Order: sequence, then C-alpha cells, then structure tokens
Amino acid sequence: EAQVTQNPRYLITVTGKKLTVTCSQNMNHEYMSWYRQDPGLGLRQIYYSMNVEVTDKGDVPEGYKVSRKEKRNFPLILESPSPNQTSLYFCASSLSSRGQSYEQYFGPGTRLTVT
Amino acid sequence: GQQLNQSPQSMFIQEGEDVSMNCTSSSIFNTWLWYKQDPGEGPVLLIALYKAGELTSNGRLTAQFGITRKDSFLNISASIPSDVGIYFCAGQLSGTSYGKLTFGQGTILTVHP
Repeated sequence: EAQVTQNPRYLITVTGKKLTVTCSQNMNHEYMSWYRQDPGLGLRQIYYSMNVEVTDKGDVPEGYKVSRKEKRNFPLILESPSPNQTSLYFCASSLSSRGQSYEQYFGPGTRLTVT
Repeated sequence: GQQLNQSPQSMFIQEGEDVSMNCTSSSIFNTWLWYKQDPGEGPVLLIALYKAGELTSNGRLTAQFGITRKDSFLNISASIPSDVGIYFCAGQLSGTSYGKLTFGQGTILTVHP
C-alpha cells in the first residue's frame, strides 16, 4: 500500500531535549516536505526537499533541521525544542515538484507537545 | 511568508445545499490546489489547477484558477454529511521555487443532516 508514515504519532517532551520525527514514503517520490499546523494558521511549510541531498527552507524553518540522505526518508530534527514548537506536524511527498505532479500524499501527523 | 486569505473561516449548512469558498492573494500564483482534511488525518488533494482560467471538476466539486492568477474558488454541490472537514487552498507563488507551497488558513465545513 502506497503511504507516508510518520513516527512517533504523539510525543510529549521537555524544553531543550533533542528529538527527531521520522518520515518515510514507499512511492519512490522525489519531493518531500514538512509542515506544521496550528489553529487559525493553516499549514505552514517548514522545509522541503526536491531530491536526495537537496533541501530548502519553507516559511518557518527556524528551530528545525532536516536531512535527505535517502530518497524514502526525510526526518525532522528539533535540536533544542521550545514550547512554541508545540504543534501538529505533517510530512508529505509527491512524485515531483514540477509540472503536474503536485499531488502530495500526507502522512497521518505527529502531535508534539513541548513543556 | 506570503499569506493566502481564505474565506469563509467556517460554514454551517444544511445537507443538500451548495457551498462556495475562495482564496485570494495580492500576489500571482502558478498553481492552485485544494485539499480536504478529515478529523485526525492528513490533508488529501481534491483538485489541482495549473493554468489561469482553468475550471476543473471532481464529482460534486468544481474549482477554478482565477484569470488574474491571484485567486481561486471551490464549489461543492448538493452537500452531504461526509463533506464535513477542513478545506485548504494552497498555491505555488510565482517567482519562488517549485517546491515551496503556501496554504490558506482553512475553511471549517459543518453539514447538518
């Protein structure tokens, strides 16, 4: 089954404790992206990757890191989480970022709480 | 970052009614996308629009890419209870990287049986 998986689905952590949220897709997609969703703000793009070893900042990259060492995985790293990073996070992938390939498949989401 | 203004923020309608929502911006977009998010799940793409003036349907859903490239609308005809959810517009801003997408704030749709 074609899917995007995220782990963990729920995470409660404390300020400053490094964490990684994993994202994996099994569709051989070139493009992957991370979003955060906050009430009243919709989804805001954190980072995206057009292909292996190619990453770029979205609208809200501060406090986050990503890597794309393999095509299928795109982990989101919070080196020193702060309470304002409490949010619902979504990973998404699509075949490409060009032309008519914008059909993004979203993961189920990771709800992160930083106390 | 660039904002898309999506309206209305929420809608309460009776089953069978038609629904209309739109997104506007002061900037030009190359692509408009419409997504639906069910509770507890990630967004799912409904319709993608790639050319100014394009009108595309997907079942009871119809969306249009505004001729000025600064707006888009989504219509749902004869709403049913399973249409409940949050609807998002998203766009790829002209002059930016192909990978960079901007989302609207969402329209929360409630359908009363």
